[in-house]
Amino acid sequence: DTGVSQDPRHKITKRGQNVTFRCDPISEHNRLYWYRQTLGQGPEFLTYFQNEAQLEKSRLLSDRFSAERPKGSFSTLEIQRTEQGDSAMYLCASSFLAGNNEQFFGPGTRLTVL
Amino acid sequence: KNQVEQSPQSLIILEGKNCTLQCNYTVSPFSNLRWYKQDTGRGPVSLTIMTFSENTKSNGRYTATLDADTKQSSLHITASQLSDSASYICVVSAASAGNMLTFGGGTRLMVKP
Repeated sequence: DTGVSQDPRHKITKRGQNVTFRCDPISEHNRLYWYRQTLGQGPEFLTYFQNEAQLEKSRLLSDRFSAERPKGSFSTLEIQRTEQGDSAMYLCASSFLAGNNEQFFGPGTRLTVL
Repeated sequence: KNQVEQSPQSLIILEGKNCTLQCNYTVSPFSNLRWYKQDTGRGPVSLTIMTFSENTKSNGRYTATLDADTKQSSLHITASQLSDSASYICVVSAASAGNMLTFGGGTRLMVKP
């Protein structure tokens, strides 16, 4: 257990539905990252926050995706009008802006869109 | 474009044997290189982290090497155990404002009894 938690661990939804995932980082970490990982591939960067500010977004983050970190603590990732191609593992990681900035990963949320 | 390539894509070895996984990268400017272990359905867990000046780092039966000149790294697993079955991901961090990570595709290792 790295100290980063994600909820839910698994989500099955029908195409067109909206889903929201939550990430609780390690409490003193000021950076929070979201990644997407498909089977057999390494994680792909989606977006990251420093405190409550969203500093960078990947081109993978279409306008159906939105992420928030309102108080600089937990974060949510919402996918609107889900598509079958959204099926993947969504990983959250957190780090402290100092030293080697090592990212600690949560267990992930596995999304299946039917 | 920053890239990390790993080989082999998959590997099957017998319990007790050693193995070496390879990683080549083209990430600039380089900050550090990490090896992660990812069990099926779980998040990645860090094994080792090396900066430019370090050329070897050990963590129990795992030993990572780094050649910053040739931009290559390897992860050597000694006396493999069944619990070593997992994906091993090489990750390179760029010395940018966000310390962005570039992930390799991973090597899927299966240790058989």
